[in-house]
Amino acid sequence: QVQLQESGPGLVKPSQTLSLTCTVSGGSISSGSYYWSWIRQSAGKGLEWIGRVYASGTTNYNPSLKSRVTMSVDTSKNQFSLNLSSVTAADTAVYFCARGKYYYESSGYYLLWFDPWGQGTLVIVSS
Amino acid sequence: DIVMTQFPDSLAVSLGERATINCKSSQSVLFRSNNKNYLAWYQQKPGQPPKLLIYWASTRESGVPDRFSGAGSGTDFTLTISSLQAEDVAVYYCQQYYSTLLTFGGGTKVEIK
Repeated sequence: QVQLQESGPGLVKPSQTLSLTCTVSGGSISSGSYYWSWIRQSAGKGLEWIGRVYASGTTNYNPSLKSRVTMSVDTSKNQFSLNLSSVTAADTAVYFCARGKYYYESSGYYLLWFDPWGQGTLVIVSS
Repeated sequence: DIVMTQFPDSLAVSLGERATINCKSSQSVLFRSNNKNYLAWYQQKPGQPPKLLIYWASTRESGVPDRFSGAGSGTDFTLTISSLQAEDVAVYYCQQYYSTLLTFGGGTKVEIK
């Protein structure tokens, strides 16, 4: 079965860029009707969807974070990544990567639920 | 954005008793063309990621015990645990996937009374 694992620094200084990678195992990141997302969880804002990337490299971001977020996919390594720039203490959270499912009809693409999720990694923004 | 509001924030239920969690969306998540509600429920235990329990508002994920059930349509939904077990202590979240801007409820913490 597919498993996801986040990796990256647990401490980032204010104004710097938070960079995380999610490694997918047990299946190819390119197969099936899936997209790959980052979601964060903080005490103040609960679960917040950050963005998604498809195996094609197409991305969509939460408008509230869009100006600071970049996501990418490396199909050769079965990984996808998150960069969040100009971080502040408000970006302190547990960051999860997750697989999302979608389906396609003539009217367009339709997103579905997240399953599975990675274990999550705590990122603290502090000097 | 579709705002998802859950209530109560927490509830304490005796073992073997029923627990009911509510989730309300700021606009309908019922897709008229296929008559499906674009809503999922997750369970999150301490130190773990959320786990998918229910999708399409009422379809149990494979392996989820049948004491968990989802109901509702349009803007009002419920997750019911028919007979609470000790292992059900967790925070439960609803999530809508009707909009491309995916949003979650604030969570409901279920504890043992």
